[in-house]
Amino acid sequence: GAVVSQHPSWVICKSGTSVKIECRSLDFQATTMFWYRQFPKQSLMLMATSNEGSKATYEQGVEKDKFLINHASLTLSTLTVTSAHPEDSSFYICSASIGSQETQYFGPGTRLLVL
Amino acid sequence: GQNIDQPTEMTATEGAIVQINCTYQTSGFNGLFWYQQHAGEAPTFLSYNVLDGLEEKGRFSSFLSRSKGYSYLLLKELQMKDSASYLCAVREGGSYIPTFGRGTSLIVHP
Repeated sequence: GAVVSQHPSWVICKSGTSVKIECRSLDFQATTMFWYRQFPKQSLMLMATSNEGSKATYEQGVEKDKFLINHASLTLSTLTVTSAHPEDSSFYICSASIGSQETQYFGPGTRLLVL
Repeated sequence: GQNIDQPTEMTATEGAIVQINCTYQTSGFNGLFWYQQHAGEAPTFLSYNVLDGLEEKGRFSSFLSRSKGYSYLLLKELQMKDSASYLCAVREGGSYIPTFGRGTSLIVHP
């Protein structure tokens, strides 16, 4: 149980375009979903926390207008990287938890390369 | 804020035992997680400690000492597939979101 999927698994795009990444909890309802970014040999950096039906809470330094997060249902959250630039190239990972105190279950990640 | 420290890299021999340490400083403590992350993949949950002591789960065990701000992950009977990065994550009191350390890259060789 507690499976989280992400789509796409990897994406290559041109600078200036927007990319949408989907995160789904397949066998449970996730009240909270998290979006992380991980650069090579670095730790996971939390970008934002989203609760179903409400606005996402962004971490300091993360531009909410650039990284649009929508958590429309208890099983789906989306992250849209708008006007992507090469410095946005990274490994984006989502996670989901059932309740606020529960363990996070991670998706397989999405590798984004912006040319 | 939190300061989480773990060794950057460790090497060990197949079949051996390895201990990966994690020290942390926090203004309140609400649990410590260990995750395993293979290259290019997302982390997978290994263990969760909130009380002092040792939690054993098969070949993996995790220990916590809250007074010392210290935890370790013990891996027994190492296998080649255990080569991965091991992330220590600490949850601070008042927040349900853990902060991740940089991870320890473990290389298991024959």
